[in-house]
Amino acid sequence: DAGVIQSPRHEVTEMGQEVTLRCKPISGHDYLFWYRQTMMRGLELLIYFNNNVPIDDSGMPEDRFSAKMPNASFSTLKIQPSEPRDSAVYFCASSLLGVQPQHFGDGTRLSIL
Amino acid sequence: DAKTTQPTSMDCAEGRAANLPCNHSTISGNEYVYWYRQIHSQGPQYIIHGLKNNETNEMASLIITEDRKSSTLILPHATLRDTAVYYCIDHSGNTPLVFGKGTRLSVIA
Repeated sequence: DAGVIQSPRHEVTEMGQEVTLRCKPISGHDYLFWYRQTMMRGLELLIYFNNNVPIDDSGMPEDRFSAKMPNASFSTLKIQPSEPRDSAVYFCASSLLGVQPQHFGDGTRLSIL
Repeated sequence: DAKTTQPTSMDCAEGRAANLPCNHSTISGNEYVYWYRQIHSQGPQYIIHGLKNNETNEMASLIITEDRKSSTLILPHATLRDTAVYYCIDHSGNTPLVFGKGTRLSVIA
């Protein structure tokens, strides 16, 4: 049973560049969540989708961040332009409808120089 | 902000039971108690959840007090691989998880 798959695992890029993070949720899951983890702020939600529709994006830091879910098996989180303060580990999680646990990917460790 | 309160850190000897407490002072009637853990450099991993009855699975046991204001996660025979940060979360499902700082459990050989 494949879990949540994120790519790339590591990304190092220079300030100002566009960054695209990718997530493949578990097949059949209705919900997809994007979280960010830093030492200072811990794990915090950025945005989540239900049936490919964004439900709450109030956690997205600013307009430089955007997320899409074009179909049930794929989502992207894009940062353009990137800044050093965006350096963090970004996690994607998915879950089924109802009181069901969220399953997390292994994250993308992003470093903006 | 997280609604639960946990000790910052705990130690446990390998092979002994690890008992991790959590206070849920503002848990509401439709919220479940969830426990997750995060091993270094990995994503959070679901452990167990319950509403008001005690629960057990292959990973752990969950004890919830009758008033639901506190819970205890029990790892019956801790191993070095159980060293992680453990989070308890009040959650009603299909909404984002709100993570606090968790308890850093160190299992010592």
